[in-house]
Amino acid sequence: GIQVEQSPPDLILQEGANSTLRCNFSDSVNNLQWFHQNPWGQLINLFYIPSGTKQNGRLSATTVATERYSLLYISSSQTTDSGVYFCAVESGGSNYKLTFGKGTLLTVNP
Amino acid sequence: NAGVTQTPKFQVLKTGQSMTLQCAQDMNHEYMSWYRQDPGMGLRLIHYSVGAGITDQGEVPNGYNVSRSTTEDFPLRLLSAAPSQTSVYFCASSSRAGTDYSYEQYFGPGTRLTVT
Repeated sequence: GIQVEQSPPDLILQEGANSTLRCNFSDSVNNLQWFHQNPWGQLINLFYIPSGTKQNGRLSATTVATERYSLLYISSSQTTDSGVYFCAVESGGSNYKLTFGKGTLLTVNP
Repeated sequence: NAGVTQTPKFQVLKTGQSMTLQCAQDMNHEYMSWYRQDPGMGLRLIHYSVGAGITDQGEVPNGYNVSRSTTEDFPLRLLSAAPSQTSVYFCASSSRAGTDYSYEQYFGPGTRLTVT
């Protein structure tokens, strides 16, 4: 099946700093999503982005499908950004099956 | 809308017991799925359904059963609980109809299960 690798596994920032999280995948995809899991365990969808660029406030994401990677940018980080960020993909032949990476644990200190 | 709801929030079982984790959504989504999350790992797909009466296996289906008799509900059954099934279980739903945004998955709050 498709492989999903996220980097870095852990990231510690001071409030106000910017960061870039990366997701590499091993096959072509027709669905790629970024999720944030907050410290209480709730999973929130950030972006549906199988290709191109999207922005939502301080967050933006870019997927370069031909090179099989996606980037999540967090600008002016806040303590509420802390948590685990997951990338999940669905390959063309997998028929609704999302495969998750292991996530990036982000800690934003005040 | 309540979104995706799961019950119970916490559960402790003894080895060999059976139970059903409940999941319901009120967004009229045709696609529903169950994942488990273990420490240090991402979410792994257990079973999924693309509509009432249609289910299929995910990555880790052994020891679990599902059925989908209505669009709203998608229960997960543990047939004979084992310590290896200690995990946090998430239910999710999405739709493939309409715009791209409807592909987004919405997750329930999770059920923390411990099997002793």
